[in-house]
Amino acid sequence: QVQLQESGPGLVKSSETLSLTCTVSGGSITTYYWTWIRQPPGKGLEWIGYIHHTGSTNYNSSLKSRVTISLDRSKNQFSLKLTSVTAADTAVYYCARGTTNDFDIWGPGTKVTVSS
Amino acid sequence: QSALTQPRSVSGSPGQPVTISCTGTGSDVGAYNYVSWYRQHPGKAPKLMIYDVSKRPSGVPDRLSGSKSGNTASLTISGLQAEDEADYYCCSYAGSYTWVFGGGTKLTV
Repeated sequence: QVQLQESGPGLVKSSETLSLTCTVSGGSITTYYWTWIRQPPGKGLEWIGYIHHTGSTNYNSSLKSRVTISLDRSKNQFSLKLTSVTAADTAVYYCARGTTNDFDIWGPGTKVTVSS
Repeated sequence: QSALTQPRSVSGSPGQPVTISCTGTGSDVGAYNYVSWYRQHPGKAPKLMIYDVSKRPSGVPDRLSGSKSGNTASLTISGLQAEDEADYYCCSYAGSYTWVFGGGTKLTV
């Protein structure tokens, strides 16, 4: 059974870079769209972007200039980097396995707070 | 990409049905049959409940059903149970390999 687990710092200083990793267990990173989604406190979900197992990526246009998603097949991990963070980037960050139609497996989420 | 529009909250009594709407545009909900619905209990990750507008993953009770008409998708839960109390989010493929979520609906049983 495939499981996802996010990891990374829970506190990031304003203007610095947020870096998170998602470890995939119980299966390999193939075929799917490995996705990052976030949820600011008390708000809804926001699709950040994905990396396909082929290495192709696509990002939310509102974040595109600051986001990079990468893949490490040897470690069965994919990562998120978000530069120049502000308080608006404070959120719970989820990694998820995406198909073309939905996001069927999610990690438990990791809370990231941007401090000034 | 603008968020899909959902009612902030809905409520229903145990055993009664409730419907949550999700309104998009002709570029997302109206253009593709790739609407999915997620249930989120407090402090937990979202869980896929409906995909491809009306299909249920294994293990999801048939009390939950999905539909779509034009630019609006709907999730109906019949026979409400206490466990159904949660936040619900719709999501649609929006073309060019992008996805958009709704703002979420709090269901009170």
